[in-house]
Amino acid sequence: QKEVEQDPGPLSVPEGAIVSLNCTYSNSAFQYFMWYRQYSRKGPELLMYTYSSGNKEDGRFTAQVDKSSKYISLFIRDSQPSDSATYLCAMTRGRGNKLVFGAGTILRVKS
Amino acid sequence: EAGVTQFPSHSVIEKGQTVTLRCDPISGHDNLYWYRRVMGKEIKFLLHFVKESKQDESGMPNNRFLAERTGGTYSTLKVQPAELEDSGVYFCASSQEIVPGLHNEQFFGPGTRLTVL
Repeated sequence: QKEVEQDPGPLSVPEGAIVSLNCTYSNSAFQYFMWYRQYSRKGPELLMYTYSSGNKEDGRFTAQVDKSSKYISLFIRDSQPSDSATYLCAMTRGRGNKLVFGAGTILRVKS
Repeated sequence: EAGVTQFPSHSVIEKGQTVTLRCDPISGHDNLYWYRRVMGKEIKFLLHFVKESKQDESGMPNNRFLAERTGGTYSTLKVQPAELEDSGVYFCASSQEIVPGLHNEQFFGPGTRLTVL
């Protein structure tokens, strides 16, 4: 069983839609939860991070962590064609430790 | 500020040959990580340097892989001899010294796409 499960998609939505991406995990030792965005032929770029449970909002993006359910989510409001990318969840036990990634979800926002 | 750079961007070699990948981290970053993504799989950790020392090499698949970090600056990852299953994208990431209370973001390079024929 994988430590982190993420539906690879692809997920196709119209411009302006609310996008919901999520991951589940099995290791209760994870404390830091991140969402990375990766454009084609580029490296992953940090989008959001959350420590432990709770919500965090940054502009059109909201990250949620529910440690009791081992479930994390990323919401994108008013999605734009420029949001089209692969979104990777990642988590780690502590600062500086290795990241454990989900498979990544391919998102396509159609104009 | 320059980001993490990796060289080459793409390498095509034959099974049994040797390939060396290079990573230049962001200047001043003590932590350097190697990850790889093989076709259809998630990005997986290979190893972690703190300065010139290997902090965690639990992800290295076998002894055909050798990573070094000369003087705590750039790092190389050598695959010798390469096998078909080594094909994939190899990412390098770096981060600053770990400071309690601050998020320790890992900045990724663009990756080296390795194809073993």
